[in-house]
Amino acid sequence: DTEVTQTPKHLVMGMTNKKSLKCEQHMGHRAMYWYKQKAKKPPELMFVYSYEKLSINESVPSRFSPECPNSSLLNLHLHALQPEDSALYLCASSPGPLQGAFFGQGTRLTVV
Amino acid sequence: ILNVEQSPQSLHVQEGDSTNFTCSFPSSNFYALHWYRWETAKSPEALFVMTLNGDEKKKGRISATLNTKEGYSYLYIKGSQPEDSATYLCAFYNNAGNMLTFGGGTRLMVKP
Repeated sequence: DTEVTQTPKHLVMGMTNKKSLKCEQHMGHRAMYWYKQKAKKPPELMFVYSYEKLSINESVPSRFSPECPNSSLLNLHLHALQPEDSALYLCASSPGPLQGAFFGQGTRLTVV
Repeated sequence: ILNVEQSPQSLHVQEGDSTNFTCSFPSSNFYALHWYRWETAKSPEALFVMTLNGDEKKKGRISATLNTKEGYSYLYIKGSQPEDSATYLCAFYNNAGNMLTFGGGTRLMVKP
């Protein structure tokens, strides 16, 4: 299984809602990433988990809360988002810097 | 913040043309350089991982070179085909080895 699976594919949420994005991989990769991608911009790193511990938080607002319950799962909990948070949220996993990362297809998030 | 830049931002070529684009990155603290292809409605897919100065990698009609001393990599496509149409992203690992920073991408469109 060489897939990174993200759910849901699309999400529309109000500014007062609480929702979660889910990412799953069964390749044994110990590094997992959340990226945010706005239209016509490169993917922007949000969080890195290494061996299930948060190793990098790129100054992301607290309305985004990551969680890594085990080595195969990565969640992104969303609360009180703003319309400008609407974007494609990509999850990736990697065996290490000397091999390519594997990406999910992303969750297209719209905040209304 | 690591500065990874790609040029051009977009490129239109005719089928059969050969083309190349550039990724520039910080030459200090270099660890690895990745190239990805991102087709519409799909996940980014790893093309090459490069680590050594002077390295050259090839996959079919696509090849890449690396100059770590001056901080650039070139991606070449020989005899472009419509199926090569995609956004090509480069990504840089510094020597902490846990943070993949992307360039802005080059969007290639190949006309039949």
